[in-house]
Amino acid sequence: DQQVKQNSPSLSVQEGRISILNCDYTNSMFDYFLWYKKYPAEGPTFLISISSIKDKNEDGRFTVFLNKSAKHLSLHIVPSQPGDSAVYFCAASAGTGETSGSRLTFGEGTQLTVNP
Amino acid sequence: DSGVTQTPKHLITATGQRVTLRCSPRSGDLSVYWYQQSLDQGLQFLIQYYNGEERAKGNILERFSAQQFPDLHSELNLSSLELGDSALYFCASTSGGGTDTQYFGPGTRLTVL
Repeated sequence: DQQVKQNSPSLSVQEGRISILNCDYTNSMFDYFLWYKKYPAEGPTFLISISSIKDKNEDGRFTVFLNKSAKHLSLHIVPSQPGDSAVYFCAASAGTGETSGSRLTFGEGTQLTVNP
Repeated sequence: DSGVTQTPKHLITATGQRVTLRCSPRSGDLSVYWYQQSLDQGLQFLIQYYNGEERAKGNILERFSAQQFPDLHSELNLSSLELGDSALYFCASTSGGGTDTQYFGPGTRLTVL
């Protein structure tokens, strides 16, 4: 049961253009969403997050949009740079009231390639 | 550098053997999570410890076990290893709050021959 899905295994964009990475989820209990970037031979690096009480969060070139009714989130990178080339994972958690923290459920990842 | 350390970086062993992976969380973090990433797949949650106690279990096999020590470092023990256990094993840590971001270590690549 894949509760978090990234349907595009790969995405290729030109430098300077917008990259849009998509993620769908099925579990209505998820209330916190994150995007991680992963380079080969390294651990995932936190990029940006959004709580379910918001529909948009922005941090520099990165913006995450959340559509709760559609159970869909997306990550926009503008402008894209060659250094952004990596695997991007979306992740979700439920139970933000837990004082001990909550597990993350990950999508399968999308390989982003930004061409110079 | 996330501040989470994992050792060893690589591990090659044979089927039937037992290995121990080690994780040191960021300074001050009380929660440690273990995840497994098999080839071309997303990360799968295995187990969580908070301040020395097991808090949540995911898709962790009975052959696998973990613990968190008083100094908050954690170990993941994998026994009776099978070829299919070959994967990247990541640990992550947070201070414990529900919306705390999990910061990941560099991972241990386990190869079972």
